[in-house]
Amino acid sequence: EAGVAQSPRYKIIEKRQSVAFWCNPISGHATLYWYQQILGQGPKLLIQFQNNGVVDDSQLPKDRFSAERLKGVDSTLKIQPAKLEDSAVYLCASSFQAGGNTDTQYFGPGTRLTVL
Amino acid sequence: GNSVTQMEGPVTLSEEAFLTINCTYTATGYPSLFWYVQYPGEGLQLLLKATKADDKGSNKGFEATYRKETTSFHLEKGSVQVSDSAVYFCAFYSSASKIIFGSGTRLSIRP
Repeated sequence: EAGVAQSPRYKIIEKRQSVAFWCNPISGHATLYWYQQILGQGPKLLIQFQNNGVVDDSQLPKDRFSAERLKGVDSTLKIQPAKLEDSAVYLCASSFQAGGNTDTQYFGPGTRLTVL
Repeated sequence: GNSVTQMEGPVTLSEEAFLTINCTYTATGYPSLFWYVQYPGEGLQLLLKATKADDKGSNKGFEATYRKETTSFHLEKGSVQVSDSAVYFCAFYSSASKIIFGSGTRLSIRP
């Protein structure tokens, strides 16, 4: 079974530029998550989708971050404009069910973003 | 509020040593508890989990027991190998069905 795919794996941009990340979840998984992992910290949830609807985006900085999951499969996360503090690894995860408390999340390899 | 406190790293051990990585949590109710592992260059993987008090999760020789009295979920392994070198994250599901992660503990095993 193929895992969660993410691209690109690495991205370097200058502040105030825009950037987009792509995620393809495991086939059949209804729920998709985007996390931000700053160096030395644990992942922090940015947004959770169930199919193509947003379940939780309470920690997404909506003035600069946006995400969509068209057709309930692939998802893109965009940052515009980027700030220095956005430098982090962006992780995508998916789970089969609707995020219940025994549901296992499967993570992709992440995209490492460096903002100069 | 919801939070996870885990042992700060890095932790460096010799091969075949006994491992303990401490983890305590602050949460409402009795959430499911997890240990995730991140090997170099790879994504997070679920290592083990426990869904109720006194449950013991185990995988790959690692174990952790859900202790509600002490709100702890310490990770243990009797004999570590070089291949266990990774970053380990303790986590739990909050009441909002959101995973709360600790800051991670980097483990290095010397041959």
